[in-house]
Amino acid sequence: DTAVSQTPKYLVTQMGNDKSIKCEQNLGHDTMYWYKQDSKKFLKIMFSYNNKELIINETVPNRFSPKSPDKAHLNLHINSLELGDSAVYFCASSSNRRQNYGYTFGSGTRLTVV
Amino acid sequence: GQNIDQPTEMTATEGAIVQINCTYQTSGFNGLFWYQQHAGEAPTFLSYNVLDGLEEKGRFSSFLSRSKGYSYLLLKELQMKDSASYLCAVSSGGNKLTFGGGTRVLVKP
Repeated sequence: DTAVSQTPKYLVTQMGNDKSIKCEQNLGHDTMYWYKQDSKKFLKIMFSYNNKELIINETVPNRFSPKSPDKAHLNLHINSLELGDSAVYFCASSSNRRQNYGYTFGSGTRLTVV
Repeated sequence: GQNIDQPTEMTATEGAIVQINCTYQTSGFNGLFWYQQHAGEAPTFLSYNVLDGLEEKGRFSSFLSRSKGYSYLLLKELQMKDSASYLCAVSSGGNKLTFGGGTRVLVKP
């Protein structure tokens, strides 16, 4: 199946812990993203990588660190988790050559910090 | 800055038509997208408009007026499965999509 897949789907952890979310796409897309969707359902961009190069870095605490080992993978590591980090995190990808198709999203990771 | 506004919630009856409006003010414009998001799922692509006018795709149509900073998504012959959130998003170049808060549509029998 061609898709954007992210793991884990659910993550429950205690404040202060460090956790990672992984994302992989096999669509041959050039650009990958991390978005955060809060309880009010707003989708806000956090980071974007184009061919392993960071191109968008919104105002995000530096506890969040993305890493792209190759253009098919984009991981998100979060240090010292806080209650306010609880949200659904979506990975997405897009093609530079076919921008009219928009993004393809992964199924999301629901992070709950307790 | 970027500002995208759409109503929070709408209710309609099965078989009816619903129009979801979206107004935007963005620095740069490279196209407007509509996405559908069912509860607990990922957003899925519905439509893309970059030129003024109406784009029709089956039961769904999307309209754009760039001079007015306005778009709407029209859902015809509503079905129960159309109950979802509908997200308006603007591309301001550089592959960056800015999303509105979404409109939750509830279809009643």
